[in-house]
Amino acid sequence: DAGVIQSPRHEVTEMGQEVTLRCKPISGHNSLFWYRQTMMRGLELLIYFNNNVPIDDSGMPEDRFSAKMPNASFSTLKIQPSEPRDSAVYFCASSGLGNIQYFGAGTRLSVL
Amino acid sequence: DAKTTQPTSMDCAEGRAANLPCNHSTISGNEYVYWYRQIHSQGPQYIIHGLKNNETNEMASLIITEDRKSSTLILPHATLRDTAVYYCIVSPSGAGSYQLTFGKGTKLSVIP
Repeated sequence: DAGVIQSPRHEVTEMGQEVTLRCKPISGHNSLFWYRQTMMRGLELLIYFNNNVPIDDSGMPEDRFSAKMPNASFSTLKIQPSEPRDSAVYFCASSGLGNIQYFGAGTRLSVL
Repeated sequence: DAKTTQPTSMDCAEGRAANLPCNHSTISGNEYVYWYRQIHSQGPQYIIHGLKNNETNEMASLIITEDRKSSTLILPHATLRDTAVYYCIVSPSGAGSYQLTFGKGTKLSVIP
């Protein structure tokens, strides 16, 4: 069991560039979550997918952020264009039955 | 409108039991108490959860008061690797439940 796999682990980019974060959930899990963590705001839920369908995207900050889940084993979070205030650690999590979420190691994004 | 209240920080001697308190006086009848922890530079990790009975697993024990307004997470023999931020979360469980609202948690330092 490899757990939730995120890539890349670290991303450094310049303001205005497109950033794509990737996530592979645990096999068999039907729910997927994207979170963002900053010192100021803590851990915030951005979007929640169930059976590959976005159910709650109320946490997505603005139109520059988009997330997709084309199949049960892959999801992306895209920021276009990126801004320095997007610098944070982005976590992906997945869950099966119940509400126990398993988190990946995160992607540390730095936008210069 | 935090649903839980936890001390900001605690220290524990290595080998001793660590008792982490949490107040959740407004908990609803269908809400469970979840505990997660986040070791530095890692994603949050599920520890344990319960509704009203005390629970124990290989990581910890969860003691919930009879009125369910507070709980205590117990790490029976703390090690240096248990140094982390511990989050107490109340949330419904079961189909359709997915919200885990992470507060600031308790920073536990295990001291040699």
